[in-house]
Amino acid sequence: GEDVEQSLFLSVREGDSSVINCTYTDSSSTYLYWYKQEPGAGLQLLTYIFSNMDMKQDQRLTVLLNKKDKHLSLRIADTQTGDSAIYFCAERPGNQGGKLIFGQGTELSVKP
Amino acid sequence: DGGITQSPKYLFRKEGQNVTLSCEQNLNHDAMYWYRQDPGQGLRLIYYSQIVNDFQKGDIAEGYSVSREKKESFPLTVTSAQKNPTAFYLCASSLLYNTEAFFGQGTRLTVV
Repeated sequence: GEDVEQSLFLSVREGDSSVINCTYTDSSSTYLYWYKQEPGAGLQLLTYIFSNMDMKQDQRLTVLLNKKDKHLSLRIADTQTGDSAIYFCAERPGNQGGKLIFGQGTELSVKP
Repeated sequence: DGGITQSPKYLFRKEGQNVTLSCEQNLNHDAMYWYRQDPGQGLRLIYYSQIVNDFQKGDIAEGYSVSREKKESFPLTVTSAQKNPTAFYLCASSLLYNTEAFFGQGTRLTVV
């Protein structure tokens, strides 16, 4: 079956690095995503990684994928108060018309 | 500007009434999706459509109905059969085999 798991909360100090973790179950997933949601708003795509990659870096964001363990992480360097939001991990199972399976979301709180 | 628009932003419904949430996109995307978001549960897929005049049930379709008469539009009706309709509803669209799904800003439905 398809399932995506995340821890619900993470608190860091401004300037520290944040690491948000995610596990998924569907080995056929072609793409894995990180979305950001600010209060009362829709979801904004932060980054994605193709399943044959191990790492992707985009400015302050680093995504690590361990396909053997079905583990995905998002590292935010030099975390700022504006990074406070809910972060969702999502997988796109193969051959299912593009639908996404989301985790519960991790609420990141950045303290000054 | 291209994008995906949901309306209204807030909606109040009396028990026993049907309500329809609007979702329009001008991105020329083939696929459109409706998700429901509840606190601590992430996003759950209600319905999705890959092509005009065709749609499939997601994980929690009971009490909901959709139509896809035009490529640009994918309205969601929350019927009186939906037992607990109070939630945040998110619409998304994507090219069928593309990497990125774009989200609207959401509609918060409250039953009064």
